Amino acid sequence: AQSVAQPEDQVNVAEGNPLTVKCTYSVSGNPYLFWYVQYPNRGLQFLLKYITGDNLVKGSYGFEAEFNKSQTSFHLKKPSALVSDSALYFCAVRAGNTGKLIFGQGTTLQVKP
Amino acid sequence: SAVISQKPSRDICQRGTSLTIQCQVDSQVTMMFWYRQQPGQSLTLIATANQGSEATYESGFVIDKFPISRPNLTFSTLTVSNMSPEDSSIYLCSVVDPGAANYGYTFGSGTRLTVV
Repeated sequence: AQSVAQPEDQVNVAEGNPLTVKCTYSVSGNPYLFWYVQYPNRGLQFLLKYITGDNLVKGSYGFEAEFNKSQTSFHLKKPSALVSDSALYFCAVRAGNTGKLIFGQGTTLQVKP
Repeated sequence: SAVISQKPSRDICQRGTSLTIQCQVDSQVTMMFWYRQQPGQSLTLIATANQGSEATYESGFVIDKFPISRPNLTFSTLTVSNMSPEDSSIYLCSVVDPGAANYGYTFGSGTRLTVV
């Protein structure tokens, strides 16, 4: 079965410190991986994706993610967190050739001043 | 990239009634999907909306409860039928965006449904 796991319900980090939000996946074939962010009472915003190519993907708002095939991981990172980064983050993977996206359970990022 | 107009943005409905949500895309897209996000939860796929044929439902979702129409490649509707408070959720449509470099998805802004 194809799935995505975000092992942490919440990540707390101090402003200015680096942050990591973890994601592992299980999918047949080559994975198409995505990160989205959702602010309270707002829609889903695309951050970055990995389709092919360089394992380190850079995205919006200074976020990046590293695709690790051997560990089946796609962790989201940012070198220096901002209070405004506080939100709900979702990792997602395309399920085979169906086009369907499977979402992880989400991780709440709390950045404290 | 594709732009999606989803309506209504929110609604408060009485139990036992039905609500139809519309999703209009500004370009023709092959694949369109409907998701549900229950309070405090992740997004769960309801169904794939197929143009000109019956939608393909995921496990746990049935056509009688969530009928879907897709008359053409730019428009789809999702109806939440015979609503109960448990149907209170955000409903989102999504398309695979042919305009996005190397494959991408676009999501509607969502419909926040409250059933009382």
